Amino acid sequence: EVQLVQSGGVVVQPGGSLRLSCAASGFTFDDFTMHWVRQAPGKGLEWVSLISWDGGRIHHADSVKGRFTISRDNSKNSLYLQMNSLRTEDTAFYYCAKGRGAYDPFDLWGRGTLVTVSS
Amino acid sequence: DIQMTQSPSSLSASVGDRVTITCRASQYIASYLNWYQQKPGKAPKLLIFAASSLESGVPSRFSGSGSGTDFTLTISSLQPEDFATYYCQQSYSTPQTFGQGTKVEIK
Repeated sequence: EVQLVQSGGVVVQPGGSLRLSCAASGFTFDDFTMHWVRQAPGKGLEWVSLISWDGGRIHHADSVKGRFTISRDNSKNSLYLQMNSLRTEDTAFYYCAKGRGAYDPFDLWGRGTLVTVSS
Repeated sequence: DIQMTQSPSSLSASVGDRVTITCRASQYIASYLNWYQQKPGKAPKLLIFAASSLESGVPSRFSGSGSGTDFTLTISSLQPEDFATYYCQQSYSTPQTFGQGTKVEIK
């Protein structure tokens, strides 16, 4: 089955760290750019990070630059988001998503992981 | 960053109605415009990519048009399962920004 399986939700204190995981199956993982997108409860979608198929191209949103790092392990068909110096405003559902082709639409999404940053 | 502005923010419609949602980019994005549908508690689902290409498996009542800065998502005959929030997204440049969403509710 073609799917992205994400790790479970978690509560972390402000200033803390967390690594999110996303396991891919059913497609050739190392052919595609992968993304992280987040959504604060009751709010809209915010693109967070992208990584190209080989890890050679990486971009982060300004809101997380210097604190979050996207990475991938193609041998394990897995995508990661290392989140450091977490703030209360980082509280959100975090989705991993697969890009496709030149227009890079997100054609496959994980179910999302709720990250709550609270003391 | 490219700003994406959707209108309206919400609308009420009846089953069978024709519904149109617009999305405007703050600068030129050619046809690098995608549309998603999101239902409560679920991940977004891709409907339209490259402004007007229907994603596989998506009903033909959904269509997209536009290029440059102005885009439209149309649902030709609204069905009960279409009540959801719709987002546009530009993939022309990084950061890939989303519109604020349009919530389609039952009248």
